[in-house]
Amino acid sequence: KQEVTQIPAALSVPEGENLVLNCSFTDSAIYNLQWFRQDPGKGLTSLLLIQSSQREQTSGRLNASLDKSSGRSTLYIAASQPGDSATYLCAVRPRGGATNKLIFGTGTLLAVQP
Amino acid sequence: NAGVTQTPKFRVLKTGQSMTLLCAQDMNHEYMYWYRQDPGMGLRLIHYSVGEGTTAKGEVPDGYNVSRLKKQNFLLGLESAAPSQTSVYFCASRTTVRSSYEQYFGPGTRLTVT
Repeated sequence: KQEVTQIPAALSVPEGENLVLNCSFTDSAIYNLQWFRQDPGKGLTSLLLIQSSQREQTSGRLNASLDKSSGRSTLYIAASQPGDSATYLCAVRPRGGATNKLIFGTGTLLAVQP
Repeated sequence: NAGVTQTPKFRVLKTGQSMTLLCAQDMNHEYMYWYRQDPGMGLRLIHYSVGEGTTAKGEVPDGYNVSRLKKQNFLLGLESAAPSQTSVYFCASRTTVRSSYEQYFGPGTRLTVT
């Protein structure tokens, strides 16, 4: 059974720092991995989607990498800002079985201190 | 372009009452999903639909029913609400275009069952 884990559960950094959020998954048979941002009381906003054949995706200050063989993905945030404070979720779309679903991690709560 | 919208935003029910949550999307997406989000458990798929007139069970379907009578709408019903169904419910949709498998989420409905 696919399980997705995110460590740490919470992270606090001063403004301007570069930081890395981690996501690991137990089964490498995936179609893709997606990173989301969730603000308090709000829905999920898609940040980056990496197909299983890709190694990384970049959008602005965000860079996501995927190492399928080791079951790991990282989200790198450069020059963090207070506006980056949110919960970051990763999710994988597994191959086989009911493929029309995402398996989510429980998220990392990020606080960027001004 | 409103994206994915959900109504209502908040609701309080008594045990045994029924209600329907409405999800609407204006992106002409084929696939639609209902998830629930509970503390410490991440998002879990309740039901999903791969097109108008179709529905399928997800990970936690018990106690819920769904209907997709129109392509743009996906309804989630609770026939007899239970306190265990207290949660935040998210609807999502995605296209079938291969180059874009991102799921787009609504803002959520916070449901409390007393």
